[in-house]
Amino acid sequence: EPEVTQTPSHQVTQMGQEVILRCVPISNHLYFYWYRQILGQKVEFLVSFYNNEISEKSEIFDDQFSVERPDGSNFTLKIRSTKLEDSAMYFCASNRREGQPQHFGDGTRLSIL
Amino acid sequence: GQQLNQSPQSMFIQEGEDVSMNCTSSSIFNTWLWYKQDPGEGPVLLIALYKAGELTSNGRLTAQFGITRKDSFLNISASIPSDVGIYFCAGQLRNNDMRFGAGTRLTVKP
Repeated sequence: EPEVTQTPSHQVTQMGQEVILRCVPISNHLYFYWYRQILGQKVEFLVSFYNNEISEKSEIFDDQFSVERPDGSNFTLKIRSTKLEDSAMYFCASNRREGQPQHFGDGTRLSIL
Repeated sequence: GQQLNQSPQSMFIQEGEDVSMNCTSSSIFNTWLWYKQDPGEGPVLLIALYKAGELTSNGRLTAQFGITRKDSFLNISASIPSDVGIYFCAGQLRNNDMRFGAGTRLTVKP
């Protein structure tokens, strides 16, 4: 069964550094998402992306964050200058059509030192 | 906005017992979904509900989409040890975006 894949599984970065988290959504999916889960807390919506532009973003998704679909398969989340509070699991998700369930990757654990 | 209130926060049950958890919101959602998350993994879809009043089963799992479109419950019958994990409800909006509940942590004692 097709899967959403995310790399790396764990990223350790110094505070203030830039980090790029990578996702390969399911190949025939058209809508892409990033979510964040701080340890022990719920999954929080960050941003949705369709037709090469952001559809919606949450208040968490400030100017330090950006997303890009650099080619036909990858979907990336960049954090420009990481802060300690950015430490979390970051999940990518995708679906083919509006209203269909979103399928999640296994996440990237981001640790900021 | 669009906050989901999920309860209970945690449950400790004996193997073989039935489990019930629910989610409520002040907002209307187009779709209700239930996911399970195991440690170190992403949420895995269990059940999706598309119509108000819909009752759907997936093996030992049964979920219902509330008539008001503002709530949903998930039942697990005859629990087994591998049911252990965190269960999240999620509401999907008309614009396709999704909001999650805080999760119910289920522990099953053999």
